[in-house]
Amino acid sequence: KAGVTQTPRYLIKTRGQQVTLSCSPISGHRSVSWYQQTPGQGLQFLFEYFSETQRNKGNFPGRFSGRQFSNSRSEMNVSTLELGDSALYLCASSLEPSGRGMDTQYFGPGTRLTVL
Amino acid sequence: GQQLNQSPQSMFIQEGEDVSMNCTSSSIFNTWLWYKQDPGEGPVLLIALYKAGELTSNGRLTAQFGITRKDSFLNISASIPSDVGIYFCAGNTNAGKSTFGDGTTLTVKP
Repeated sequence: KAGVTQTPRYLIKTRGQQVTLSCSPISGHRSVSWYQQTPGQGLQFLFEYFSETQRNKGNFPGRFSGRQFSNSRSEMNVSTLELGDSALYLCASSLEPSGRGMDTQYFGPGTRLTVL
Repeated sequence: GQQLNQSPQSMFIQEGEDVSMNCTSSSIFNTWLWYKQDPGEGPVLLIALYKAGELTSNGRLTAQFGITRKDSFLNISASIPSDVGIYFCAGNTNAGKSTFGDGTTLTVKP
């Protein structure tokens, strides 16, 4: 069974631009979560999607948004990029949403975003 | 919000030694997970724990879900060079949010 895939793996943008990252979950997994990982802040939860609905949201500004499609694939978008948005963005998928017992998450390799 | 205190922050050990790391919280979790992350890659799940008191092994790795549901530990026996990496604990609640520890960086000297 293929793992979680994320595209692109690497991205360089400039301040003010916007970016869209894509995540394809493990086949059969319906929940997708996004995380931002930086050396100083560790792994920070962005949001979780299940059945095309945002189920949970972390403490990030509205510039960070996401969506999930009917095939469970998910995208996240960051608008008006800032230097501090440079990070590894990780996507994780699970069979069920967090809290339902089958919520073990499997991570993708991440997208390394650099904002210049 | 919930916070996980993971310790130690880093460890430098000799190949063959055993390793122990733990996570504690003031909050109760329903699931504890342990991950290993190599540079430039996403975390890889090592062990998942679903019941208080549960002790689970995966090869040389052993993890336990604390009885109070507020802590967990991970042990690695007879460490080898490929154990090098960053180990994260994570706790999930019924409310549906995952909280991650800050990681333990493990260095193994041959």
